[in-house]
Amino acid sequence: QKEVEQDPGPLSVPEGAIVSLNCTYSNSAFQYFMWYRQYSRKGPELLMYTYSSGNKEDGRFTAQVDKSSKYISLFIRDSQPSDSATYLCAMSALRNTPLVFGKGTRLSVIA
Amino acid sequence: NAGVTQTPKFRILKIGQSMTLQCTQDMNHNYMYWYRQDPGMGLKLIYYSVGAGITDKGEVPNGYNVSRSTTEDFPLRLELAAPSQTSVYFCACSMNTEAFFGQGTRLTVV
Repeated sequence: QKEVEQDPGPLSVPEGAIVSLNCTYSNSAFQYFMWYRQYSRKGPELLMYTYSSGNKEDGRFTAQVDKSSKYISLFIRDSQPSDSATYLCAMSALRNTPLVFGKGTRLSVIA
Repeated sequence: NAGVTQTPKFRILKIGQSMTLQCTQDMNHNYMYWYRQDPGMGLKLIYYSVGAGITDKGEVPNGYNVSRSTTEDFPLRLELAAPSQTSVYFCACSMNTEAFFGQGTRLTVV
């Protein structure tokens, strides 16, 4: 079983839809959780950062962590064509240790 | 601030050649990382460094070497390039937990 599982998609939604992206993980020691957005031929950019369980909201984006289920989610409300990118989840057990990444989900928002 | 800068952006190597991928950061972060990204495979850690003079292997270190003589620079060396090293290489740095990435070097070995 891989440490971090993420459905690669592709996922295609109409503009304005609510998007749900998810990752599951096997290492119960993970407590730092991140979502990165990567546009084509660009480097990953940090989108959301959550420590331990709970929700975090930033504009149209909401990150959720359920440590009991080893499941994290990223919700995008009112999705826009500019949200079309690959979304990577990443996590680590301790501060300043290398992140473990999911394979990424490719999202297309159609106008 | 430029953040994390990688050079070159693109490179084609012949099998058996060697090259150095350059990475420099102006964020004054102690931790630096090299990842490779293959299509549909996410990011895999090659090497990382917790500070000048200290480096450690990641998940896929074979065929690569690194050095860290300054806080700012973390070059990745490929010796005897092989087709399996065709990939996109990303350098990143961090101060706490969040990593900040460069724009990548796209390498093709033919």
